[in-house]
Amino acid sequence: DTEVTQTPKHLVMGMTNKKSLKCEQHMGHRAMYWYKQKAKKPPELMFVYSYEKLSINESVPSRFSPECPNSSLLNLHLHALQPEDSALYLCASSGRLGGSPLHFGNGTRLTVT
Amino acid sequence: AQKVTQAQTEISVVEKEDVTLDCVYETRDTTYYLFWYKQPPSGELVFLIRRNSFDEQNEISGRYSWNFQKSTSSFNFTITASQVVDSAVYFCALSGSNDYKLSFGAGTTVTVRA
Repeated sequence: DTEVTQTPKHLVMGMTNKKSLKCEQHMGHRAMYWYKQKAKKPPELMFVYSYEKLSINESVPSRFSPECPNSSLLNLHLHALQPEDSALYLCASSGRLGGSPLHFGNGTRLTVT
Repeated sequence: AQKVTQAQTEISVVEKEDVTLDCVYETRDTTYYLFWYKQPPSGELVFLIRRNSFDEQNEISGRYSWNFQKSTSSFNFTITASQVVDSAVYFCALSGSNDYKLSFGAGTTVTVRA
């Protein structure tokens, strides 16, 4: 069983909807990540939180808004998405900066109609 | 800049055959980490192994083995006696010692046929 839990597993939303993806880990990790993965491509980094503060934003459009309420939770708020945003969204956590393996959740398959 | 190249896009084998996945990397860091991840059709990326740049010992874990050669900047992965459950996309990845960002290779899709 994965130690990083993501909900929902699947999400279909219209371009005018607002939705949120949720991620939870209980491994005591202080770094949490959002990745986006298109079919047949490697994951692309979107955001990194370290000790609950946003450390990295990989020039992600503002229609994606991350939030880290506490050290165990990570949210990704979605608003006014485009069909090209349809992808697998993966959450991950790691114990420390650099060199520590990332532990990924099962992902949320997002379809924007 | 860091770069990981997985030249094999797809590999198809029959069960019990051995499979070797190639990974070549580029980095200017003297301290770095190499990883392999497995992504089955369910979507989750599963961590398989980490190697740091100072540890060139090869490793074996069950049917999996890894060959790290700094001289050729390669970190190859072999599945011995493949099984259908090994069917997945395998990613090689690289990070620096003070770097949150993982540089992934393009991935190799392995299909094991019964």
